[in-house]
Amino acid sequence: GAGVSQSPSNKVTEKGKDVELRCDPISGHTALYWYRQSLGQGLEFLIYFQGNSAPDKSGLPSDRFSAERTGGSVSTLTIQRTQQEDSAVYLCASSLGSGTGNTIYFGEGSWLTVV
Amino acid sequence: QKEVEQDPGPLSVPEGAIVSLNCTYSNSAFQYFMWYRQYSRKGPELLMYTYSSGNKEDGRFTAQVDKSSKYISLFIRDSQPSDSATYLCAMKSNDMRFGAGTRLTVKP
Repeated sequence: GAGVSQSPSNKVTEKGKDVELRCDPISGHTALYWYRQSLGQGLEFLIYFQGNSAPDKSGLPSDRFSAERTGGSVSTLTIQRTQQEDSAVYLCASSLGSGTGNTIYFGEGSWLTVV
Repeated sequence: QKEVEQDPGPLSVPEGAIVSLNCTYSNSAFQYFMWYRQYSRKGPELLMYTYSSGNKEDGRFTAQVDKSSKYISLFIRDSQPSDSATYLCAMKSNDMRFGAGTRLTVKP
């Protein structure tokens, strides 16, 4: 597609349930990022994939969060046993490579509400 | 201290005003500086991109970087209601860091 595609765009889930968020990066982009944005807050880095290298998971807030990227393309962010504080916008982004000059482009986000 | 500091506002200006948005940072390794615009319930979109110190102009928008002061700015001339959005600064060395975003409202 022309841009980064994320699904679902909106998700309401009950506390304690697991959720999966999907990201389809721009075709040809080898780098993929997940960020979290809470109301009125900046972007919080979660995880970064670059090609076939081991992902940088340093931003994941707890072991309830995990992500995978299959075939170097589509990525899934999974949140297990969701808590109310997980309510946020989860933004996926991709870039052509990991070099300093590579600009990242964002999807529209998955808006997660945990009730 | 956060690596990137940005006043969250909100900032409200009348149509036609000049808007100045700013960020400061602490990591001297940052080399690329960006401004993203985020409309309500949308993802951030790249607005301006600059490398190292200096000015870059694109239409009504001017991005300014002062590496010696670790200070970047975005100026919007002749602001329009359609400029109402949250503006996030971002900077990159090996990692990308974002400011908290400044919420701007331009009133007709």
